[in-house]
Amino acid sequence: GAGVSQSPSNKVTEKGKDVELRCDPISGHTALYWYRQSLGQGLEFLIYFQGNSAPDKSGLPSDRFSAERTGGSVSTLTIQRTQQEDSAVYLCASSLSRANTEAFFGQGTRLTVV
Amino acid sequence: EDKVVQSPLSLVVHEGDTVTLNCSYEVTNFRSLLWYKQEKKAPTFLFMLTSSGIEKKSGRLSSILDKKELFSILNITATQTGDSAIYLCVVANAGGTSYGKLTFGQGTILTVHP
Repeated sequence: GAGVSQSPSNKVTEKGKDVELRCDPISGHTALYWYRQSLGQGLEFLIYFQGNSAPDKSGLPSDRFSAERTGGSVSTLTIQRTQQEDSAVYLCASSLSRANTEAFFGQGTRLTVV
Repeated sequence: EDKVVQSPLSLVVHEGDTVTLNCSYEVTNFRSLLWYKQEKKAPTFLFMLTSSGIEKKSGRLSSILDKKELFSILNITATQTGDSAIYLCVVANAGGTSYGKLTFGQGTILTVHP
């Protein structure tokens, strides 16, 4: 696609439910990042995929969070047993390669846990 | 742990003013520093800096990097209301399994009043 695509754009879920957020990176981009931005806060790194390497999961806040990237392209971020503090905008970004670090962002998924 | 610190965290000016946004960083293996502008949801790319002392310009925006003192500044001259946004400083890592990984600053919220 022309840009990074995220879905859904908005998600309201009840506390305790599981949610899946999807990111379609730009075709050919080997690096993919997930970030989240809580209201009034900066961007918080969650996870980084680079090609076939093991992902850098150091930013995942708890074991309720997981992400996978299938076939080196589409990525899914899963939050299990959602809590109200999980409410945030979840942003996905991709870049061409490790050597080319300009990252392009999707429009984000606004998650609201009620 | 890699760290990027921006200052000020927020800034309110009037149209026509000139602003300087600051970014300092501590990164084990520096590759590049990027500036993004975030309105609404998705950050958009402004500049990528890899060499010290070379100013990059785009219209009223300019930026420069000092790799010795580990900081960068983003200048905006003759500000306009459309410059109101969050400005993000991002550093890309160049080493080992974190090669290409981006570390974000908290952002500077710029508000330009008419």
